[in-house]
Amino acid sequence: EPEVTQTPSHQVTQMGQEVILRCVPISNHLYFYWYRQILGQKVEFLVSFYNNEISEKSEIFDDQFSVERPDGSNFTLKIRSTKLEDSAMYFCASSGQGKGEQYFGPGTRLTVT
Amino acid sequence: SQQGEEDPQALSIQEGENATMNCSYKTSINNLQWYRQNSGRGLVHLILIRSNEREKHSGRLRVTLDTSKKSSSLLITASRAADTASYFCAPYGGDNQGGKLIFGQGTELSVKP
Repeated sequence: EPEVTQTPSHQVTQMGQEVILRCVPISNHLYFYWYRQILGQKVEFLVSFYNNEISEKSEIFDDQFSVERPDGSNFTLKIRSTKLEDSAMYFCASSGQGKGEQYFGPGTRLTVT
Repeated sequence: SQQGEEDPQALSIQEGENATMNCSYKTSINNLQWYRQNSGRGLVHLILIRSNEREKHSGRLRVTLDTSKKSSSLLITASRAADTASYFCAPYGGDNQGGKLIFGQGTELSVKP
């Protein structure tokens, strides 16, 4: 069964460093998402991406964040200058339809020290 | 999209018993989705029910939707220890093209062997 994959599973970085989180969505999906979950808190929407552009972004998704689909398979989330409060699990998801079920990856645990 | 409110916040049952979780939402929807999250892992899509459907089954899962009361319920029959997880509803309003989902705090289900 096709699944969403994410790399790395765990990333440790120092405050102020740039990180790129990578995702490979399900191959025939058209809608892509990033969510994050701070330990013990709700899963929060960050950004949705369709047709090579951002469809919607949350207040969390400020200028420090960017997304890219550099080729036909990868979908990346870049955090330019990480802060301690960026420590969280980051989940990528994809969907075949904009209003359909979303398939989530296993997540990348980002630890900012 | 809008956030659903799950109830109860926590539920503890014995293996073999049925578990019922409820979800309430505020505005009209296109569909409502249920997801499961095992601790620290990605969300898994369980079932999607459309606004014109009243009941849907998938294996041991039964979902009902009452659009007049703006509520949904998820029933897990003959529960197993492996069903221990957090369960989230995600009402989708279809008012945006991006398809973002907003998750609440969920119902934390504990199934004791």
